[in-house]
Amino acid sequence: QSALTQPRSVSGSPGQSVTISCTGTSSDVVAYNYVSWYQRHPAKAPKLIIYDVNKRPSGVPDRFSGSKSGNTASLTISGLQAEDEADYYCCSYTGSFTFDVFGTGTKVTVL
Amino acid sequence: QITLKESGPTLVKPTQTLTLTCTFSGFSLTTGGVGVGWIRQSPGKALEWLALIFWDDDKRYSPSLKNRLTVTKDASKNQVVLAMTNMDPVDTATYYCAYKRFGSTFIDYWGQGTLVTVSP
Repeated sequence: QSALTQPRSVSGSPGQSVTISCTGTSSDVVAYNYVSWYQRHPAKAPKLIIYDVNKRPSGVPDRFSGSKSGNTASLTISGLQAEDEADYYCCSYTGSFTFDVFGTGTKVTVL
Repeated sequence: QITLKESGPTLVKPTQTLTLTCTFSGFSLTTGGVGVGWIRQSPGKALEWLALIFWDDDKRYSPSLKNRLTVTKDASKNQVVLAMTNMDPVDTATYYCAYKRFGSTFIDYWGQGTLVTVSP
């Protein structure tokens, strides 16, 4: 399977909103409402921030939200904060007997 | 609190076998539904699943790397071990272990990763 496509980088000023796209195919993003998003700070363990397209795990701020339309899932960070500067990866379920496929990753820079 | 930590060599030579250990806490691999897996990210590339082992010893492998991978568990030590044979410079990557429940659609927890370089 090919990786999901994400923009290499996005940036925004504190308080602004940024949206990261994640484009897949009929075998992954289109087929299932099971897109997850992970945040990774340098030298830290990746952290789950969105699962099943738009659900937030306990403890994740509500400024993080997810959505999906057709073959593209999106992560929106509203009210951007300095601590949101990190790499973000999407991931799609691809079925019971195949591994999930990840996105290419997006670096978010807070200006 | 669930934590996972990868350990192993930082440098291996081509053709050698890489052995990585994931030591975890906060859960048991004897509990139904629990799984621990390995994911890697080569420089400039996307994250890639390698292998996954469940509480009942069910194992899953990446089809493209299946012939080179072996994943095992020692539940008494809270460890999962990944062996990858015939290492090549293209296998240079950060290797992560992760906690994923059977049937789950996402990875609940990750380790911080360990960088492995393959070079003569």
